[in-house]
Amino acid sequence: AQSVAQPEDQVNVAEGNPLTVKCTYSVSGNPYLFWYVQYPNRGLQFLLKYITGDNLVKGSYGFEAEFNKSQTSFHLKKPSALVSDSALYFCAALTGGGNKLTFGTGTQLKVEL
Amino acid sequence: DARVTQTPRHKVTEMGQEVTMRCQPILGHNTVFWYRQTMMQGLELLAYFRNRAPLDDSGMPKDRFSAEMPDATLATLKIQPSEPRDSAVYFCASGSQLNYGYTFGSGTRLTVV
Repeated sequence: AQSVAQPEDQVNVAEGNPLTVKCTYSVSGNPYLFWYVQYPNRGLQFLLKYITGDNLVKGSYGFEAEFNKSQTSFHLKKPSALVSDSALYFCAALTGGGNKLTFGTGTQLKVEL
Repeated sequence: DARVTQTPRHKVTEMGQEVTMRCQPILGHNTVFWYRQTMMQGLELLAYFRNRAPLDDSGMPKDRFSAEMPDATLATLKIQPSEPRDSAVYFCASGSQLNYGYTFGSGTRLTVV
């Protein structure tokens, strides 16, 4: 079955330190991958996507993600975390022949002073 | 910025009542998704449409849920009769296969008592 996995329910990091939020995928064909962020009581906001091209994708708010085909991963990264980055992060992939946007279970990021 | 508009933002209803949630997708977007978010289940895909035609509604309880797109500017999700277990936040998202940019609305928070 095609799916997206986020192995960590929560990630804690100190402000100023680099952060990584992990995502692995299982899709047939070329993967189309996405990261979204959700702040409390808000909808999901698009951060970045990988469709084709460079394996390192740059997105909003200083976030980037690295596509690794051999490891079927698409980890979200930021060189220096901010307290305001604290939120729920979702990885997603187009599945079902490219028709269906399937999400992982989400990772709660907590950035502390 | 173009946005997906969902109404109402909040709805409290009694068990057994009909609930209708509405979504106005971004003009020009040909794909519409309906998701439900709960603490226990995370983000669940209920149904999705392309060019107003339903592609998959296998995520919905068929006996009580229905989703339609009467025209390109309106998508509706109905629950009849509603039950307490339907309490959740319901999100609509729209997008286009031209650039795979999927935008979420702010959601409808439904409470069934």
